[in-house]
Amino acid sequence: GAGVSQSPSNKVTEKGKDVELRCDPISGHTALYWYRQRLGQGLEFLIYFQGNSAPDKSGLPSDRFSAERTGESVSTLTIQRTQQEDSAVYLCASSHGTSGGAIDTQYFGPGTRLTVL
Amino acid sequence: AQSVTQLGSHVSVSEGALVLLRCNYSSSVPPYLFWYVQYPNQGLQLLLKYTSAATLVKGINGFEAEFKKSETSFHLTKPSAHMSDAAEYFCAVRATGNQFYFGTGTSLTVIP
Repeated sequence: GAGVSQSPSNKVTEKGKDVELRCDPISGHTALYWYRQRLGQGLEFLIYFQGNSAPDKSGLPSDRFSAERTGESVSTLTIQRTQQEDSAVYLCASSHGTSGGAIDTQYFGPGTRLTVL
Repeated sequence: AQSVTQLGSHVSVSEGALVLLRCNYSSSVPPYLFWYVQYPNQGLQLLLKYTSAATLVKGINGFEAEFKKSETSFHLTKPSAHMSDAAEYFCAVRATGNQFYFGTGTSLTVIP
């Protein structure tokens, strides 16, 4: 089946503008993750959705960042009043979801490259 | 707290030579460890994972990694490098609550 898709693949915006990044997970995957990858750095966890549970937002760097997910489908990451330091690749991953501590494999999308001028 | 350290942001090997990419972790709980590969202009793909079964884990494309608790390491190896192995490699550890912590990545160059 289709993998994780993200749109847009590239986004250039001006400082102070709001942006929305979209993630379409693999069908049937209950877990969804957002990460940020700055140039030359590793992946930075942002937020995690698991089914209908309250999302784990502990990685969001500021209140300018928010994310939503409707059921077990599409997720949107919104960055308000963008700053130049927000420039990065934003990666989305989905997985089957875990219970009882079972180990889950994440499948990553190709990412959205955000450039804030 | 959990974290991952990848020693060497860039590694170059000759085609046919041994590949060794280093990963050390810290974890307050028994770790679950992963290696991902990112080919140019592609998303991350899972190479292999350690989930407390066998300490030597075999992955795709001839890669394997050995979990060494005494050294808190999970180094990735391949006996003979191929040109197609040129990519960025990331080590990751799964924390409690299903959060994952990634290393900063190692870029592998294969010299013909």
